[in-house]
Amino acid sequence: AQSVTQLGSHVSVSEGALVLLRCNYSSSVPPYLFWYVQYPNQGLQLLLKYTTGATLVKGINGFEAEFKKSETSFHLTKPSAHMSDAAEYFCAVNPYSSASKIIFGSGTRLSIRP
Amino acid sequence: DGGITQSPKYLFRKEGQNVTLSCEQNLNHDAMYWYRQDPGQGLRLIYYSQIVNDFQKGDIAEGYSVSREKKESFPLTVTSAQKNPTAFYLCASTTDATNEKLFFGSGTQLSVL
Repeated sequence: AQSVTQLGSHVSVSEGALVLLRCNYSSSVPPYLFWYVQYPNQGLQLLLKYTTGATLVKGINGFEAEFKKSETSFHLTKPSAHMSDAAEYFCAVNPYSSASKIIFGSGTRLSIRP
Repeated sequence: DGGITQSPKYLFRKEGQNVTLSCEQNLNHDAMYWYRQDPGQGLRLIYYSQIVNDFQKGDIAEGYSVSREKKESFPLTVTSAQKNPTAFYLCASTTDATNEKLFFGSGTQLSVL
C-alpha cells in the first residue's frame, strides 16, 4: 500500500533561516511526488512535482525538493524563509498517474518568527 | 480569470438536515473531485467524476452524494446519514483523469449546530 509520512506537524523557523520540511513515502511502483501549500482558509496550490528525470525539482516561491529513491524521501527546502511562507504544506504521492489515486500526508504547519 | 468557485464559504447544518455545497469551475476541466480535510489530517477523497453524468466513490463516500449534470458543476450533498460532518471541504479539478495536477477551490467550512 502507498503512504506518505510528514515528520513534524509544526515547524518554526526564523525569517531568513533555512526551511526544511520532511516527507517520506512508500510505494510499490515509481511514484509521482508533489508538494502543495495551503494558506489559511484557502485551497491547496501546487508548489512543485516530481514525475521522472532530474531528481532536484524547483518550484514556485523559491522552494525546491529532491527525490531520493534510496531514502524514499522527498524533502522540501528553501534557503531563506520569508514571512509570507507561513502556511500548511502537504506532501503527496501518486503511484498511478491518476488524480483520484493521490495520497496526501497529514501536513506540516510552517511558522516564521520575525 | 479561470478558476474554481466554492460556495458558501461557511455553512451550518442542523441535526437531520441535508446540506449542499456548490462547486463551479470555468477551466473546461473534465475531472472534478471532492475532498474532506480534518485538522491534523491529510485530504481524503469523497467522490470524483471523470466525465459528465458519471461519478465514482472515493475513500469516504458514506453519508455523501454528488451529481454531475454539467461539466462546470459538481455539487456535494452532505446527508443526515453523515454523523460527523464538521470539516473543511475542498473541491478540485484536473484537465482529465490521467492528469495528476489538481486545481483547488478555496473551500467550504461546514459546522454542526
